[in-house]
Amino acid sequence: NAGVTQTPKFQVLKTGQSMTLQCAQDMNHNSMYWYRQDPGMGLRLIYYSASEGTTDKGEVPNGYNVSRLNKREFSLRLESAAPSQTSVYFCASSKGTSGSSWATQYFGPGTRLTVL
Amino acid sequence: DAKTTQPNSMESNEEEPVHLPCNHSTISGTDYIHWYRQLPSQGPEYVIHGLTSNVNNRMASLAIAEDRKSSTLILHRATLRDAAVYYCILRVAGNQFYFGTGTSLTVIP
Repeated sequence: NAGVTQTPKFQVLKTGQSMTLQCAQDMNHNSMYWYRQDPGMGLRLIYYSASEGTTDKGEVPNGYNVSRLNKREFSLRLESAAPSQTSVYFCASSKGTSGSSWATQYFGPGTRLTVL
Repeated sequence: DAKTTQPNSMESNEEEPVHLPCNHSTISGTDYIHWYRQLPSQGPEYVIHGLTSNVNNRMASLAIAEDRKSSTLILHRATLRDAAVYYCILRVAGNQFYFGTGTSLTVIP
């Protein structure tokens, strides 16, 4: 049981390049999330998917797109990377989005992205 | 508009209790209070959560003020493995988490 996995672990891009960050969970969770964490800051929500087939914007969605490929996988795409998107990106999942224990989020190890 | 306010850093001696405070004066009636911790170069890890009543689990206790405008995470006996950044988070509708900047806990041997 690997929990939440993310690929790649590290990535360096040039301004204007595109890339997709991959996330997968094996806990049969319904909901998945993408966050970014800038140095010395807490995490900020980019997008989330409450259930398969749905996605919603979070606090900082500009410059990103997401795809909920199936129940297990949720990808984050940067179409034209900018230096301001240099950050650590975390994926998380939860059983659901309401109630008590169902809403507890489990996080992956993160992807460190540098945009030059 | 910060939803939670925590001290930037705290220190504790090993094997002593630690009380980590959090203010959330704008909390609404349906917002849950979650605590997560983050070890260096890792993703956040769930610690505990609650709504109104105090909560205990194997990792910690959560004491919630009667007016819900503040809460305290209690680690009963700090160990070196508890050194981390502790985040007090409000979970609002749609399961959106609002992280603050957290408290960096140093445990002194």
